[in-house]
Amino acid sequence: DSGVTQTPKHLITATGQRVTLRCSPRSGDLSVYWYQQSLDQGLQFLIHYYNGEERAKGNILERFSAQQFPDLHSELNLSSLELGDSALYFCASSVGGTNTDTQYFGPGTRLTVL
Amino acid sequence: AQSVAQPEDQVNVAEGNPLTVKCTYSVSGNPYLFWYVQYPNRGLQFLLKYITGDNLVKGSYGFEAEFNKSQTSFHLKKPSALVSDSALYFCAVRDGNNAGNMLTFGGGTRLMVKP
Repeated sequence: DSGVTQTPKHLITATGQRVTLRCSPRSGDLSVYWYQQSLDQGLQFLIHYYNGEERAKGNILERFSAQQFPDLHSELNLSSLELGDSALYFCASSVGGTNTDTQYFGPGTRLTVL
Repeated sequence: AQSVAQPEDQVNVAEGNPLTVKCTYSVSGNPYLFWYVQYPNRGLQFLLKYITGDNLVKGSYGFEAEFNKSQTSFHLKKPSALVSDSALYFCAVRDGNNAGNMLTFGGGTRLMVKP
């Protein structure tokens, strides 16, 4: 158990809908990262927050947004969902936001868009 | 741009034999390299990382990896495989000279250890 928690574990929804995925980092970690894992794209970095501020953006669609709250938990919002958004979404956390930090991953949220 | 290649989709090895999972990378600056393992229906678990120093890095569960700068490789190894090592293994890289750079993952290698 990495200490990173994600809810819900599974989410099934329809095209065009909006969902929110939640992540709580390990105690003491200030950074939260979001990744998408799909069969055709592999593991793709989406976005990084450090202590409430956005630090870096990767291959994140405009329909997706995230934020990190004062208690350091983070939410990933996915809107106008498409079939292709079906994937496993991982959250990871690290102590700081430097390149040497180890990222610890949560168990993931499996999103199925029907 | 940075990239990681894991040339083998699957590696098969018999229990008790040594195993190697290959990884090569490309970065413009200093490479920071990581190995993760993913068991079915679980998140990624950190195994080990190379930042600087000794080229042979020891990690969790008896795994080790050797950094080879001239061959731009960071192969994962274990002297004696266990059936419980069967899982999906990911190599990842960061460019140490770019503060804003995030982890880039390889496509993963499925390790199958047969009894």
